[in-house]
Parts: sequence; C-alpha cells; structure tokens
Amino acid sequence: KNQVEQSPQSLIILEGKNCTLQCNYTVSPFSNLRWYKQDTGRGPVSLTIMTFSENTKSNGRYTATLDADTKQSSLHITASQLSDSASYICVVSGDAGNMLTFGGGTRLMVKP
Amino acid sequence: GAGVSQSPSNKVTEKGKDVELRCDPISGHTALYWYRQSLGQGLEFLIYFQGNSAPDKSGLPSDRFSAERTGGSVSTLTIQRTQQEDSAVYLCASSLSTWDTYGYTFGSGTRLTVV
Repeated sequence: KNQVEQSPQSLIILEGKNCTLQCNYTVSPFSNLRWYKQDTGRGPVSLTIMTFSENTKSNGRYTATLDADTKQSSLHITASQLSDSASYICVVSGDAGNMLTFGGGTRLMVKP
Repeated sequence: GAGVSQSPSNKVTEKGKDVELRCDPISGHTALYWYRQSLGQGLEFLIYFQGNSAPDKSGLPSDRFSAERTGGSVSTLTIQRTQQEDSAVYLCASSLSTWDTYGYTFGSGTRLTVV
C-alpha cells in the first residue's frame, strides 16, 4: 500500500531558529516528491519538487533533500519567520501522473 | 483566470440537504482533481478528471457524492443528503496535463459545515 508518513505532526519553534521536517514514503513506482505549504484557510502552494535524480534543492530559506534509496525526504527551514507558520505537506507522485499520495502534514508554529 | 477559483468559500447546510461545490480551474488545464480535508486530517483524494471524463472516481466515499465537468473547464461536486461527517474543506486542483511536470495549482477550498 502506498503511504507517506510525516514527522513531527506538530512543531513549535522560536523566530529565527532552524527546523527540519521529515517525510518517509513507500510509494512505488516513484515519479517525484513535492513539498507544499498550506496557510490556514488557503489551498496548498508548491514549495519544491524533487525527482529521482535530485538529492538537494533549495528555494530561498527552504532546502529539500531526497534519498531515493531509503525513500526519505526532508524540508529544512533556516532562520524561521512568523510567516512560516503553516502546515507543510509532503506529496509523492507515482508513475502515472494522476496518482498522488499525501502525507498528513506537519503543523509548524513560529513564535516571536 | 489567474488561479483556481472555488465557490462558495464557506457553506453551512442542514443535514439531509444537497449541496453543490464549484471549481473553476486555470484556463487550459486539462486535468482537474477534487480532494477533501477533514479537520486535523491530511488530504483525501476524491476524483480526477481528464477533460470531461473521470478515469478515476475511486476516492468518492459513497454514492451520495458525484461530480461532473463540462466543456473541459468548470467542475461541480455534488453531495446529496449531506451528513455531519461530510463536514470538511473541499479542495480543487488543476494541472496542465496528467503528467505533473508542471505541478498542481490548488484553489482556496470550500469549507462545508453540516449542522
């Protein structure tokens, strides 16, 4: 069964601190993995996409990693800001473009 | 339009009533998806459209749920005889093609509350 597990479920950090969110998956075959940020009351917005051959990709203060061998991905946020408070969802795409498996998300709260 | 538009943004309905949720995808996006997000839960797949046809309806939770798409554009998700467990945020997403090279763009969702 295709599954995506995210940890931690929730996280509270102080503004300016770094944090790392984890995503483990068992989706097979694997096409790509996306990290989405979902602000309260809004739809998810894509942060980055990782394909099989990519190990690390950065987008501003967000850095995503992918280890296709261990089927693990991480999202590292540096110098957190209050606006980073949101749910971060890991979504894995299978071989057919329409097959998506969603993780349960990590709810991040950044406090001043 | 510039993004995926969903309406209404909020809907409160009485148990047993029917509701219609609307999704207006990005112009030219052939693939359209409906998801449901219950309180504190992850995203749950409901149905996928390619053009006007729905090759994957596997996520629809019961025969009270149906969806259609006309003209390869606007889609309507209908829930008949609503139940309290139908309360959730219903999200629509569209994509340029089935191969998600271009990514999915989500709408802001419709928050459905069944009382």
